[in-house]
Amino acid sequence: ILNVEQSPQSLHVQEGDSTNFTCSFPSSNFYALHWYRWETAKSPEALFVMTLNGDEKKKGRISATLNTKEGYSYLYIKGSQPEDSATYLCAFIAPNTGNQFYFGTGTSLTVIP
Amino acid sequence: DVKVTQSSRYLVKRTGEKVFLECVQDMDHENMFWYRQDPGLGLRLIYFSYDVKMKEKGDIPEGYSVSREKKERFSLILESASTNQTSMYLCASRRTRADTQYFGPGTRLTVL
Repeated sequence: ILNVEQSPQSLHVQEGDSTNFTCSFPSSNFYALHWYRWETAKSPEALFVMTLNGDEKKKGRISATLNTKEGYSYLYIKGSQPEDSATYLCAFIAPNTGNQFYFGTGTSLTVIP
Repeated sequence: DVKVTQSSRYLVKRTGEKVFLECVQDMDHENMFWYRQDPGLGLRLIYFSYDVKMKEKGDIPEGYSVSREKKERFSLILESASTNQTSMYLCASRRTRADTQYFGPGTRLTVL
């Protein structure tokens, strides 16, 4: 089992604040990294698929960066809104592990109006 | 709109019962997965299947089995439910190895 860590575990921010969180993964063995958003009572939904060192992806106010050499990815939310409240999961895929995704424990974000 | 559906959102069973959790996807995906989600532990892989009638153990297969008789359907079976199997169960599918994974809405199973 590969170790994928996310920090912080939970976060409360005021509406309008910008925030970011981290996903750390083994740097020695990388194939891809995914970010998912999981809102309460809904299915997790994919945000980004990242495969190259230095990748930066953006979707509206949310963006992500990837550093495969040091083994981390950041997710940024600019101007947080209450609808951003969710758990954000990262999933790491290593070569030679078949089809398995290794998920972090998630960062729970609450945006206070 | 792609869809993964699970047979129940909430389920309550008694210890020792045989439990079937069904998952259906409409995207013609080869790969299907069963996870459980427990507080503080993240999503843990129970079983996966990369083709009809094929199955592979994930990280926590003990106490579970699976069935994939048709490409679109992947079933998780608890042969004799126990209280430590109380959890949220998520089904997922994807086309290839590192493609986006599509999740079902989850089944919250309580074993009394």
